Amino acid sequence: AQSVTQPDIHITVSEGASLELRCNYSYGATPYLFWYVQSPGQGLQLLLKYFSGDTLVQGIKGFEAEFKRSQSSFNLRKPSVHWSDAAEYFCAVGGEGYQKVTFGTGTKLQVIP
Amino acid sequence: DAGVIQSPRHEVTEMGQEVTLRCKPISGHDYLFWYRQTMMRGLELLIYFNNNVPIDDSGMPEDRFSAKMPNASFSTLKIQPSEPRDSAVYFCASSNTGGSYEQYFGPGTRLTVT
Repeated sequence: AQSVTQPDIHITVSEGASLELRCNYSYGATPYLFWYVQSPGQGLQLLLKYFSGDTLVQGIKGFEAEFKRSQSSFNLRKPSVHWSDAAEYFCAVGGEGYQKVTFGTGTKLQVIP
Repeated sequence: DAGVIQSPRHEVTEMGQEVTLRCKPISGHDYLFWYRQTMMRGLELLIYFNNNVPIDDSGMPEDRFSAKMPNASFSTLKIQPSEPRDSAVYFCASSNTGGSYEQYFGPGTRLTVT
């Protein structure tokens, strides 16, 4: 069975600081990996995804993530955080031909001025 | 494109009442998912459909919950009778087999059962 672990429930960073959100997955084959963002009162929106190829993927809003097979990780990064990035971030894992994905428990990001 | 549409956005009902949540997926998408989000349990997949057929309903909490998809543009999630522990935000999402596996989420329905 596939699973996702987001070890950080809540993270606080200063505006302009760099950000890294951790995600570890468990999947028996080559995983499809996703990061979604949820702003307060909104649904989830896809930030980026990894299927194959270059292990460093770029997404919207200046986010990037790196797939590391040896560590079963797919951490999300942003070099300089903006106040509007305050939201909850979800990592998810799926597989080829498999539309169902499994979401992590989320990491809530707070940005302080 | 209007995106995934859910109605109502907010629902307040009394325990024991029937609740029906509605979802219109993005046109052309052949997968539809119903999720429930709570502080305690996070985001849970309840059921999903492919071409209007339920594929996996293992996440449906109990017999009080039922979901239907009578056609490609409409789905309902019904709770009968409702209980206070059903209070949550319910999301509908859709995706496309030929696409990138990205799920497009609706804005959610916040259900409060008193």
